Amino acid sequence: AQKVTQAQTEISVVEKEDVTLDCVYETRDTTYYLFWYKQPPSGELVFLIRRNSFDEQNEISGRYSWNFQKSTSSFNFTITASQVVDSAVYFCAPPNTGNQFYFGTGTSLTVIP
Amino acid sequence: EPEVTQTPSHQVTQMGQEVILRCVPISNHLYFYWYRQILGQKVEFLVSFYNNEISEKSEIFDDQFSVERPDGSNFTLKIRSTKLEDSAMYFCASTTSRQETQYFGPGTRLLVL
Repeated sequence: AQKVTQAQTEISVVEKEDVTLDCVYETRDTTYYLFWYKQPPSGELVFLIRRNSFDEQNEISGRYSWNFQKSTSSFNFTITASQVVDSAVYFCAPPNTGNQFYFGTGTSLTVIP
Repeated sequence: EPEVTQTPSHQVTQMGQEVILRCVPISNHLYFYWYRQILGQKVEFLVSFYNNEISEKSEIFDDQFSVERPDGSNFTLKIRSTKLEDSAMYFCASTTSRQETQYFGPGTRLLVL
């Protein structure tokens, strides 16, 4: 089964600071996908990104960027110039071979105005 | 943009009662899932459903739980005799195929008294 470790349980930053959320995963698959989801205080789960294990290029989407390093099994997420609306719990989620997602405990990000 | 919907948004029930949580997945999706999140804890996989049958289920999904796709649009989760520990947020998700992005509904918050 897949496993994910998000070592940072809680992070607090001041608005406009950059912040990186770490994700280390374990998998026996040679081809796999990785996902990030956001859960704001309102509770819904919002899809952020899906990354194929063959594609190690970094991806940038506005203030969000992702650094995928297959050699270290890491898929880190950086928010540049954080805003209060970024306050949420962020989950790195590798799907298991049965396709069900394994969500770790996530990282709770608080952006202080 | 198509989205997964869930009803009701909140449900309060007495211990021992049956509840049915309803989901309408995105129309062209073929795989359906239920997850739950006990307050303050991580999101846990319950069951996946494909081609009108359960494809995977977790240890949580015991005989008290059942799922059904009664028509072409709804996907339901039934808890036969609720327990206090069933109090949680229940999320439905759907996707087009394995390893694709799962899109989550807004959740149903179930409170068992």
